[in-house]
Amino acid sequence: EVQLVESGGGLIQPGGSLRLSCAASGFTFSSNWMHWVRQTPGKGLVWVSHINGDGSSTTYADSVKGRFTISRDSAKNTLYLQMNSLRDEDTAVYYCVRGGARSWNPFDYWGQGTLVIVSS
Amino acid sequence: QSALTQPASVSGSPGQSITISCTGTNSDIGGYNYVSWYQQHPGKAPKLMIYDVSNRPSGVSNRFSGSKSGNTASLTISGLQAEDEADYYCSSYTSSTTYVFGTGTKVTVL
Repeated sequence: EVQLVESGGGLIQPGGSLRLSCAASGFTFSSNWMHWVRQTPGKGLVWVSHINGDGSSTTYADSVKGRFTISRDSAKNTLYLQMNSLRDEDTAVYYCVRGGARSWNPFDYWGQGTLVIVSS
Repeated sequence: QSALTQPASVSGSPGQSITISCTGTNSDIGGYNYVSWYQQHPGKAPKLMIYDVSNRPSGVSNRFSGSKSGNTASLTISGLQAEDEADYYCSSYTSSTTYVFGTGTKVTVL
């Protein structure tokens, strides 16, 4: 059974940093693109970033480019999102999402999400 | 990248069919057959319902179907049931090798 379990969310002041983790199990982690998608409470979904199976290719939404870094550790079957220079508008539930073998494959499994609140 | 445009709400009676539209541009929906649809119940994570415009993952009811014409994709739910009441989001791959989601549609079963 595919499982994605996020951790690392919490309350952080504007300008601060936070690292989210996503522990993956039930599939061959290195075979899949992985994504982060966020959702502001009561609002819609926004794609944040993705990374390919071996970690050599990453892409970011314009809203987080230069501030967030996605990475993965295949030995630990874990996906990360390093978030720096956090802003109020980064407040959201962050979902770890599994993609497919190709970058354009759909988001087929989602974690339960971890809440990040950026506030002074 | 601007969000894809969906109606804010759609409603229907049990047994009826409803259709949710999702409008984008030539750089996303119009340029690729990589449109997917997600169902989200309150407090839950989204669930993949349709991928590559019209394909259903294993386990998803055949009451759900997808299509695309030009820059607009559509999700149709036939034989509407109470359990279909949820938020629905479309998504498309884009020419920037990123992804864009729709604004979301709340489906109400009357």
